[in-house]
Amino acid sequence: QLQLQESGPGLVKPSETLSLTCTVSGGSISSSSYYWGWIRQPPGKGLEWIGSIYYSGSTYYNPSLKSRVTISVDTSKNQFSLKLSSVTAADTAVYYCATSDRTGNWFDPWGQGTLVTVSS
Amino acid sequence: SYVLTQPPSVSVAPGKTARITCGGNNIGSKSVHWYQQKPGQAPVLVIYYDSDRPSGIPERFSGSNSGNTATLTISRVEAGDEADYYCQVWDSSSDHRGVFGGGTKLTVL
Repeated sequence: QLQLQESGPGLVKPSETLSLTCTVSGGSISSSSYYWGWIRQPPGKGLEWIGSIYYSGSTYYNPSLKSRVTISVDTSKNQFSLKLSSVTAADTAVYYCATSDRTGNWFDPWGQGTLVTVSS
Repeated sequence: SYVLTQPPSVSVAPGKTARITCGGNNIGSKSVHWYQQKPGQAPVLVIYYDSDRPSGIPERFSGSNSGNTATLTISRVEAGDEADYYCQVWDSSSDHRGVFGGGTKLTVL
């Protein structure tokens, strides 16, 4: 059974780059059945899809974040990563990684989430 | 861009039926997925492909999708069902993107 775990700094300064990694266990990130996605949730607000990546490296990004987002995959480590540049306080959120079914595009399972605060 | 609209809140008495709607332009032509999120926890998939239930999700949870509205129905509501519920689609109309509704807070009276 797939399990996902986010890791990375919990505090990032404004204008810097937020970097998170999601480690996948219980299965291979090279599976042809899945995309791997990032979703965030500002405190007290709803869910926002950030982007998704296939093991081959093909990516889809939220147009509202596309200029600042890079998602990459490291098949040797069974990990995928998120980089969000030029962050502001508006990027403060719980960041989740999740598996996305390649045909139906639902997200399951999710990691537990990690809170990233943007503050000087 | 594609927009999903949910009511901010729904209230229901224990044992009754709760219906949470998700509105979108011709949403009936898309596959809708639903998530339950309890405070401090990650979302959990409760319905996929409009009406399919993942293993472990009670039969009390069901879904439908037609026209401009998808609906999550929770029968015989229990106190433990109190949570935020989100609908989600994958929009392939212009570019490929995931879209979430704004979420509905289900309160069990």
